[in-house]
Amino acid sequence: DVKVTQSSRYLVKRTGEKVFLECVQDMDHENMFWYRQDPGLGLRLIYFSYDVKMKEKGDIPEGYSVSREKKERFSLILESASTNQTSMYLCASSQTFNPETQYFGPGTRLLVL
Amino acid sequence: SQQGEEDPQALSIQEGENATMNCSYKTSINNLQWYRQNSGRGLVHLILIRSNEREKHSGRLRVTLDTSKKSSSLLITASRAADTASYFCATASNTGGFKTIFGAGTRLFVKA
Repeated sequence: DVKVTQSSRYLVKRTGEKVFLECVQDMDHENMFWYRQDPGLGLRLIYFSYDVKMKEKGDIPEGYSVSREKKERFSLILESASTNQTSMYLCASSQTFNPETQYFGPGTRLLVL
Repeated sequence: SQQGEEDPQALSIQEGENATMNCSYKTSINNLQWYRQNSGRGLVHLILIRSNEREKHSGRLRVTLDTSKKSSSLLITASRAADTASYFCATASNTGGFKTIFGAGTRLFVKA
């Protein structure tokens, strides 16, 4: 069964803290994605990765960085969390030969105080 | 700006009724997909329709695509309370690099 897991369901951090969000998939997928979801705005792509150690900026990369040291793991890093980064963060993965069908994790709801 | 925009933003129906959600997009696409999201959870892929297809079925789901109008519809027949969720359309194109863009979603509430 296809599985994408995220390290935390809920997270509360303070402004200025460094935040790590982890995502792991067990499907041997090449592509991995980080989105944020805000009411009325749908999903917006932050970063994605086609392969290990490769990363591409999405539509809203500012204030974020990513790391993909292993194929199954894709980390999202908030270098210095700000209140406007309070959001739901969704990780997804897909295969190279079927890139459009993405499999999502359960999401991490992050609150930055 | 968003590529896919769903309409209506919210929909409330009785169990057993059909639910229709619409999606409009702006630029040419390779395919269009519909996803479902239960409250506080991740998205689940429902169905994909390619740009050269006009209609596709999967169980109680029926999706249509009209590329001339740049629009798609998702029909859920004989709805159930368990269908209560948000539904998103997502458009994919490889113009300028592979990209999938999600709309803001339609919130469907099915009353038992």
